[in-house]
Amino acid sequence: DAGVIQSPRHEVTEMGQEVTLRCKPISGHDYLFWYRQTMMRGLELLIYFNNNVPIDDSGMPEDRFSAKMPNASFSTLKIQPSEPRDSAVYFCASSPWDRGNSPLHFGNGTRLTVT
Amino acid sequence: QQQVKQSPQSLIVQKGGISIINCAYENTAFDYFPWYQQFPGKGPALLIAIRPDVSEKKEGRFTISFNKSAKQFSLHIMDSQPGDSATYFCAASMYEGFQKLVFGTGTRLLVSP
Repeated sequence: DAGVIQSPRHEVTEMGQEVTLRCKPISGHDYLFWYRQTMMRGLELLIYFNNNVPIDDSGMPEDRFSAKMPNASFSTLKIQPSEPRDSAVYFCASSPWDRGNSPLHFGNGTRLTVT
Repeated sequence: QQQVKQSPQSLIVQKGGISIINCAYENTAFDYFPWYQQFPGKGPALLIAIRPDVSEKKEGRFTISFNKSAKQFSLHIMDSQPGDSATYFCAASMYEGFQKLVFGTGTRLLVSP
């Protein structure tokens, strides 16, 4: 298995532009998570899906952020309009089941820089 | 109450030494405590995990010690190697039901040759 695949690896954009981050989870994993990592706040859970349905989006910072999972093999995180404070590394992770011992499998992240 | 506090923020250990990273939690409902390891440019990966029914779990050179009464747990890396240089995150969640890990802020470990 290729693992969780994220694209792009790096994104540099100007303030006000729309940014779309993409994720392909591991096949067969029913749970998909979007995390944001910054030096100040560490790893923050933004939203997670179960069987393509958003379950908890309480971590989404504001309405500028939206996430979708149109099918079991693809998810997007969109920021519109982007702001410099959105600069961070965004990780997608998937997990096979809902028990606490289910390991999170992270992608290699998308480093977003908003100028 | 959802926080997991991790220390130290950074750590330098000589090759062959013992690395110790500590975490503390408040939520007594937490009953699953994993550690994740992250190398530069990569996502975190599960390293080792423990449940509170045991006080210690060992996998190779990595050991988790758990103190339920103090609500603390720690990662010990024995015979630390330069290849262990990475950022380590402790985390906590509830074992049953939907997983929602709460991560510590991370410890950057550097093992000097």
